[in-house]
Amino acid sequence: KNEVEQSPQNLTAQEGEFITINCSYSVGISALHWLQQHPGGGIVSLFMLSSGKKKHGRLIATINIQEKHSSLHITASHPRDSAVYICAVSGGRDDKIIFGKGTRLHILP
Amino acid sequence: NAGVTQTPKFRVLKTGQSMTLLCAQDMNHEYMYWYRQDPGMGLRLIHYSVGEGTTAKGEVPDGYNVSRLKKQNFLLGLESAAPSQTSVYFCASRSRQTLNIQYFGAGTRLSVL
Repeated sequence: KNEVEQSPQNLTAQEGEFITINCSYSVGISALHWLQQHPGGGIVSLFMLSSGKKKHGRLIATINIQEKHSSLHITASHPRDSAVYICAVSGGRDDKIIFGKGTRLHILP
Repeated sequence: NAGVTQTPKFRVLKTGQSMTLLCAQDMNHEYMYWYRQDPGMGLRLIHYSVGEGTTAKGEVPDGYNVSRLKKQNFLLGLESAAPSQTSVYFCASRSRQTLNIQYFGAGTRLSVL
């Protein structure tokens, strides 16, 4: 079983829809990360959180430590949000990061 | 402000050839990482370094070597390339103070024929 599981693997939605991507993990962590990878390949860190909720523009990330679960929400989705969203967890020796396989999001105009 | 720079961006090798991928960061970060990304799989850690002159193995280190002679540079070497090493390679770095936020390079697409 993978230590970091994301769902769904692929998601297609219409512009304006509210998007939710889920992440579950099975290991103890010091932090959970959400990253974005655009079609060009570059990877950008969106959020790092260890509790509660963080908001940046139309993006919201939440984490439930007891349930070992996090969600990434996108409000008023736009075609430019089309990307792969990657959940990752860090902790343990040297705080190495374990990555999920990513969720490919496609927003249709 | 360049951030994390990887060279080259693309490379095609024949089986058995050797090459070195260079990662350079200008943020004075202590920690540097090399990952590979393959279709249907998450990023996997090859090797990492927690400081100049130190390196450690990650999840998939076989067939690769690394060196961190200078704080700003982290080199990934393939001594005898194999088709299984066809992948996209990402370098990342972080400061000890930024609590795990990693900054990624743009990636190197490597094909081994």
